[in-house]
Amino acid sequence: AQSVTQLDSQVPVFEEAPVELRCNYSSSVSVYLFWYVQYPNQGLQLLLKYLSGSTLVKGINGFEAEFNKSQTSFHLRKPSVHISDTAEYFCAVSPVTGGFKTIFGAGTRLFVKA
Amino acid sequence: DVKVTQSSRYLVKRTGEKVFLECVQDMDHENMFWYRQDPGLGLRLIYFSYDVKMKEKGDIPEGYSVSREKKERFSLILESASTNQTSMYLCASSQGTGRGRGYGYTFGSGTRLTVV
Repeated sequence: AQSVTQLDSQVPVFEEAPVELRCNYSSSVSVYLFWYVQYPNQGLQLLLKYLSGSTLVKGINGFEAEFNKSQTSFHLRKPSVHISDTAEYFCAVSPVTGGFKTIFGAGTRLFVKA
Repeated sequence: DVKVTQSSRYLVKRTGEKVFLECVQDMDHENMFWYRQDPGLGLRLIYFSYDVKMKEKGDIPEGYSVSREKKERFSLILESASTNQTSMYLCASSQGTGRGRGYGYTFGSGTRLTVV
């Protein structure tokens, strides 16, 4: 079984400041890792994903995430945020084999202030 | 542009009504999912389907049923709507097995259901 913990429920930050949204997971099998973004009153859209290879992955809108196997973490970062980045962000894991359900974290609400 | 389409963005229904939420995907995906999203509770899986006419209960199936008669369509049914089913409902689809799982989910825009 897998589980995902997003360590912060809300993250307020000023415009143009850097931000890190933290995600830890546990799993007894190898997993794929994802970050999704949800803008107000919309569905979720895929921001980036880690499948294998380089542990630093880049996504849309200037976001990147780093997979750390020893710490079972997949933190999301952006060096300079914009007002338009205000949204809810979900970390998720999916087993590579044996099952096809994705497990989502509870979400982190990023609020960018002017 | 590939997509998942949910038939309604906003819906208001009365207590006791039978409610149908429709979801259609055009990506030939095997798997389809229904979630509900509530503040502070994240996404909770209601039902999912990995093939036509196949369905599996998720974490909170009580009060709901589903139908998948065609590969592209997955319907969520509230047999007798209650006020505690007021929520945002999200449909998603994904490729079936193996490395296809690495593509992640494609979500619809959501249906905000209010039961009065």
